[in-house]
Amino acid sequence: GAVVSQHPSWVICKSGTSVKIECRSLDFQATTMFWYRQFPKQSLMLMATSNEGSKATYEQGVEKDKFLINHASLTLSTLTVTSAHPEDSSFYICSARGFSNQPQHFGDGTRLSIL
Amino acid sequence: RKEVEQDPGPFNVPEGATVAFNCTYSNSASQSFFWYRQDCRKEPKLLMSVYSSGNEDGRFTAQLNRASQYISLLIRDSKLSDSATYLCVVNRGNDYKLSFGAGTTVTVRA
Repeated sequence: GAVVSQHPSWVICKSGTSVKIECRSLDFQATTMFWYRQFPKQSLMLMATSNEGSKATYEQGVEKDKFLINHASLTLSTLTVTSAHPEDSSFYICSARGFSNQPQHFGDGTRLSIL
Repeated sequence: RKEVEQDPGPFNVPEGATVAFNCTYSNSASQSFFWYRQDCRKEPKLLMSVYSSGNEDGRFTAQLNRASQYISLLIRDSKLSDSATYLCVVNRGNDYKLSFGAGTTVTVRA
């Protein structure tokens, strides 16, 4: 099956640090990648959608200057949490999709803890 | 109102039992429906897509009721390995973006 790799899987860093998370589709070309955030016992919340070679579109309430997304190739998207604060601590998950009628396949998530 | 609502459970069942649960969705224009499985502190994994006529995949049966806007999942002959949180996932109408329920927790005991 389709494989999506996410790195790193766990990050602990000090407040004010910027953190970059990578999402790679390993065996297919991902025309669209999605970034989600999940707080404990809550549903996944879509943060932004990125299409290769174009700017990401952000969901309402998500600061684009805070969460920088780059989708420079069909197999790689990155999310940078800039100047992270404790309230940014969460489980960040990416997903990737090939064509419009295909389901999304998820990366294994990044657990971000800001001290 | 949430876009996708699920009974959080937990559903505690013995091995071999049948367990079923539903979710409801609010967007009548939704066209794609899925059940994902999420183990503790892990990423969601696609369990099955849900089709209008209902569909089965081994011990798992999914049903869709468009008129009432609910989706169901039934697990037969439960295994210990079925213990997980099951996420009901619906696309946002004509949009390919997905809305997730908060999940239904199932615990299968020996």
